[in-house]
Amino acid sequence: GESVGLHLPTLSVQEGDNSIINCAYSNSASDYFIWYKQESGKGPQFIIDIRSNMDKRQGQRVTVLLNKTVKHLSLQIAATQPGDSAVYFCAERTGGSYIPTFGRGTSLIVHP
Amino acid sequence: KAGVTQTPRYLIKTRGQQVTLSCSPISGHRSVSWYQQTPGQGLQFLFEYFSETQRNKGNFPGRFSGRQFSNSRSEMNVSTLELGDSALYLCASSFNGDDTQYFGPGTRLTVL
Repeated sequence: GESVGLHLPTLSVQEGDNSIINCAYSNSASDYFIWYKQESGKGPQFIIDIRSNMDKRQGQRVTVLLNKTVKHLSLQIAATQPGDSAVYFCAERTGGSYIPTFGRGTSLIVHP
Repeated sequence: KAGVTQTPRYLIKTRGQQVTLSCSPISGHRSVSWYQQTPGQGLQFLFEYFSETQRNKGNFPGRFSGRQFSNSRSEMNVSTLELGDSALYLCASSFNGDDTQYFGPGTRLTVL
C-alpha cells in the first residue's frame, strides 16, 4: 500500500479494544477541528468534526474530545475493528480561513 | 450521491514535462481545494477555487496552477515537472468552503 508518512506515530491495538489517538495543535485561534481516516490507496475520509464551543462530540463508535486549555484533541474509537486500521489525521482551521492545517498523522494497526 | 472523482488515478511523467489533473466535485459543491501529499511533508494545501475564482492559495511556486469551470469541475496543472513533484495530489470539495471537505481518491504522480 501507499505510505502517507515516514516515522508516523503508531498505535497498535487488539480487535475489540478501545483506541485513543491524540493530536496537539498549535494555533490558539483555531476554532474548527476535523478528524480524517486515510486507508492505503485512498483519499482521506471525514470521520467527525468539532467546533471550539464544544468539548466533546460523539459519532458512531467515535468520540472527539477537545481541550482548548492545553490545545489538545483526541479521537476515541470504541470496539476497534481490523477495518479501522488506517492513518488518522487531525486538521485545524481558524475562523475566516477556508484552509485547514493537517497534522502528520497516526498509524492505527488493529490486530485480529 | 456520487463522491469526488479524480482522473487519472496514476500518472508517470519525466522531468520538464507538464501535467494536468482533473477533479469532479460532489454535485452541488462549489468549493474545490487541491492538496499535495508526500511522505516527507504530509498534506499541504495548494489552492482553493470557488465559483471559478481562486480564493485561497498555498505556498507553492507558480508552476502549480489551477482553474475551475462553471460546473465546478476543477483542473490543476504543473508545468516543468521536477522530481520533487512526485506525490499524491488530492482534491477535496465542499458546499461553500466553510464546511466539511470531502476528498477524492487522489492522483498518484510519479516524475522520473
